[in-house]
Amino acid sequence: DSGVTQTPKHLITATGQRVTLRCSPRSGDLSVYWYQQSLDQGLQFLIQYYNGEERAKGNILERFSAQQFPDLHSELNLSSLELGDSALYFCASSVASGIQETQYFGPGTRLLVL
Amino acid sequence: DQQVKQNSPSLSVQEGRISILNCDYTNSMFDYFLWYKKYPAEGPTFLISISSIKDKNEDGRFTVFLNKSAKHLSLHIVPSQPGDSAVYFCAASVRKAAGNKLTFGGGTRVLVKP
Repeated sequence: DSGVTQTPKHLITATGQRVTLRCSPRSGDLSVYWYQQSLDQGLQFLIQYYNGEERAKGNILERFSAQQFPDLHSELNLSSLELGDSALYFCASSVASGIQETQYFGPGTRLLVL
Repeated sequence: DQQVKQNSPSLSVQEGRISILNCDYTNSMFDYFLWYKKYPAEGPTFLISISSIKDKNEDGRFTVFLNKSAKHLSLHIVPSQPGDSAVYFCAASVRKAAGNKLTFGGGTRVLVKP
């Protein structure tokens, strides 16, 4: 158990809908990262938050957004969903930003868009 | 452009023997490298890491070697056990204040035969 929790574990929805994925980092970790794992793209970095502020962005679609709350949990919002958004979404956390550090991953949310 | 590559999609090894997984990278700015293990329907689990100032790091049965001139790293698992059967990802990051996103290779599926 990495200490990172993600809910829900599975999500099935329809095209055009909006969903919210939730992540709670390990106790004491200030950075939260979101990654997407799809069959054809592998594990891809989406976005990072550090202590409530956005720190880095990857190839995140404009239909996707995220935020980190004062209690440090984070939410990833996916809107106008398309079939191609079906993937595993992982959250990871680490202690701080700006040093060489290990990221610990949650169990993931499996999103299926029908 | 795939900056981190794992050219062997799969590896089969006998229990008790050595497993050697390879990873190549192209971005010379990478200064921290990690290996993760992933079982189906679970998040990646951190195994071992190495900083670019070292060429070897060992932790129990796992050893990571880094050859900066060749932009190559490898993970040795000795001895291999059936529980090691999983997908292994190498990842790399660049230390900077803005964030430490991980860039992942495509993974190598390891099967350890009893």
